[in-house]
Amino acid sequence: EDQVTQSPEALRLQEGESSSLNCSYTVSGLRGLFWYRQDPGKGPEFLFTLYSAGEEKEKERLKATLTKKESFLHITAPKPEDSATYLCAVQGDNAGNMLTFGGGTRLMVKP
Amino acid sequence: KAGVTQTPRYLIKTRGQQVTLSCSPISGHRSVSWYQQTPGQGLQFLFEYFSETQRNKGNFPGRFSGRQFSNSRSEMNVSTLELGDSALYLCASSLVSGDQPQHFGDGTRLSIL
Repeated sequence: EDQVTQSPEALRLQEGESSSLNCSYTVSGLRGLFWYRQDPGKGPEFLFTLYSAGEEKEKERLKATLTKKESFLHITAPKPEDSATYLCAVQGDNAGNMLTFGGGTRLMVKP
Repeated sequence: KAGVTQTPRYLIKTRGQQVTLSCSPISGHRSVSWYQQTPGQGLQFLFEYFSETQRNKGNFPGRFSGRQFSNSRSEMNVSTLELGDSALYLCASSLVSGDQPQHFGDGTRLSIL
């Protein structure tokens, strides 16, 4: 059974204070690892897909990396508008379209 | 182009009733998946429909069912509602089954009294 664990559950940062969010996973054949951002009252918004260990993707202040057991979402010099819940999900080889999600990290960036 | 549209946005029902939720995927997308999101269990996969056929099903009781129409729009039905069914129900679409990434709608917030 595919499993995803995210840490920390909540993270408070000052504006400009860089940090990383962790996503540990076990999956029988990784087809893709996904990062989503979810704002209150909204659905998850797609950020990145990573397919294989060593891969990195960047978008503005966010950078996602992948190893065989973990993915990290690095946030450089965050701004208050980066405050949201960040969700990690995996899609396994035998899972069809099913995504298995972690519990999320709630990020709060204070000005 | 328009994103995934879910209706209604909010719904209040009582125990024992049944409910139908609707999802219109992104234009051209033919795969629709449904998820339940609760504070305790997080996001959990319900089922996926592609070409009007259920392709995959999560670990939910038979009270949860769905269907897909020829225009790829999908509906989800929950019968004999229980208090524990209170949740945000999210729909996601992709071009074809197994395609990545999936794009989500803003969900239907279902409250059971």
